[in-house]
Amino acid sequence: ETGVTQSPTHLIKTRGQQVTLRCSSQSGHNTVSWYQQALGQGPQFIFQYYREEENGRGNFPPRFSGLQFPNYSSELNVNALELDDSALYLCASSLRQGDTEAFFGQGTRLTVV
Amino acid sequence: QKEVEQNSGPLSVPEGAIASLNCTYSDRGSQSFFWYRQYSGKSPELIMSIYSNGDKEDGRFTAQLNKASQYVSLLIRDSQPSDSATYLCAAPRTNTGNQFYFGTGTSLTVIP
Repeated sequence: ETGVTQSPTHLIKTRGQQVTLRCSSQSGHNTVSWYQQALGQGPQFIFQYYREEENGRGNFPPRFSGLQFPNYSSELNVNALELDDSALYLCASSLRQGDTEAFFGQGTRLTVV
Repeated sequence: QKEVEQNSGPLSVPEGAIASLNCTYSDRGSQSFFWYRQYSGKSPELIMSIYSNGDKEDGRFTAQLNKASQYVSLLIRDSQPSDSATYLCAAPRTNTGNQFYFGTGTSLTVIP
């Protein structure tokens, strides 16, 4: 157990809908990153939040957006869902912005039908 | 070319053998590398990090880094069935500590 919790664990949505995924970082960790892991692939970096501001973004379209709250928990929002958005979404927290160690939550399995 | 590349396998070894997992990277400026283990349906778990050329040993695991060849490997000695998992190689994006590029992972099966 890493202390990083994500909700929900599984979700089924219809193409075109919007979804919000949530992540509670490990206690004291101020940096949260989100990754998308398609079946049979490695995780792909979506973006990172540090002290409530976006601090780096991967090659994902603007319909992927996020928030970080004062308690360092975070949300990932995806608008206009596409079938290819079906994946495991992973949240990882780090104690500080530049720390190399990241602790992953158990993930949210999103299925878009 | 992807930033981090791995042979996807699958790799099968008998129990007690040495499993060798390989990774190459494209950014010559990369300074640190990480190996994560991911059991089926679970999240990645950090098992090794390496920052300098050469070998780093931790129990049954040895990470090897060759910056001239842009090559990272993970050796698992005395492989156990519980080592059966997907192993992910990762390197941070330039000028970040923890925004990672991951390889596609190598699936390892240890046969009892």
